[in-house]
Amino acid sequence: AQSVTQPDARVTVSEGASLQLRCKYSSSVTPYLFWYVQYPRQGLQLLLKYYSGDPVVQGVNGFEAEFSKSNSSFHLRKASVHWSDSAVYFCAVSNTDKVVFGTGTRLQVSP
Amino acid sequence: NAGVIQTPRHKVTGKGQEATLWCEPISGHSAVFWYRQTIVQGLEFLTYFRNQAPIDDSGMPKERFSAQMPNQSHSTLKIQSTQPQDSAVYLCASSLVRGQNTLYFGAGTRLSVL
Repeated sequence: AQSVTQPDARVTVSEGASLQLRCKYSSSVTPYLFWYVQYPRQGLQLLLKYYSGDPVVQGVNGFEAEFSKSNSSFHLRKASVHWSDSAVYFCAVSNTDKVVFGTGTRLQVSP
Repeated sequence: NAGVIQTPRHKVTGKGQEATLWCEPISGHSAVFWYRQTIVQGLEFLTYFRNQAPIDDSGMPKERFSAQMPNQSHSTLKIQSTQPQDSAVYLCASSLVRGQNTLYFGAGTRLSVL
């Protein structure tokens, strides 16, 4: 079975500060890994995904994530956050057609 | 491309009534997924169709919930005898072929059972 753990339910950072959102996964085989973002009253949108190759994958709006097989992690990073980045971020894993999501991290960017 | 369309956006039902939620996937996408989102449980996988055939319904409550995809252009999620605990946002997503492809989500249907 595959699963995802996002240990931080809420994260607050100041505008312009750097960001890391944590994600740990469990999978019997190398999975596809994703980060999705959900803005208020909207569905989820893909930020980035990884399956193989360079462990640092670039996404939209300056986001990147780093895959670590040894740590079973796929943390999301951004060098400088903007107030518009306030949203809920979901890490997800898939080694079959079914995509399993973490519980999400609500990011609040303060002015 | 209008994206994934879910109707209605909001639905209020009385306890014991039936609710039918509609999803129109992106044209050309052959996979359709249903998820339920609540504060407590987060995003729960319900069911998945590929080329209109049900592939995995392991997340569907065995009683009262059913999903269909009668044609390429829409899928329905039906909840019979709704209960307050069914209150949630129901999200539909489509992808080109598989879950490993990008999932495109609709805005969801917020179901409130009074």
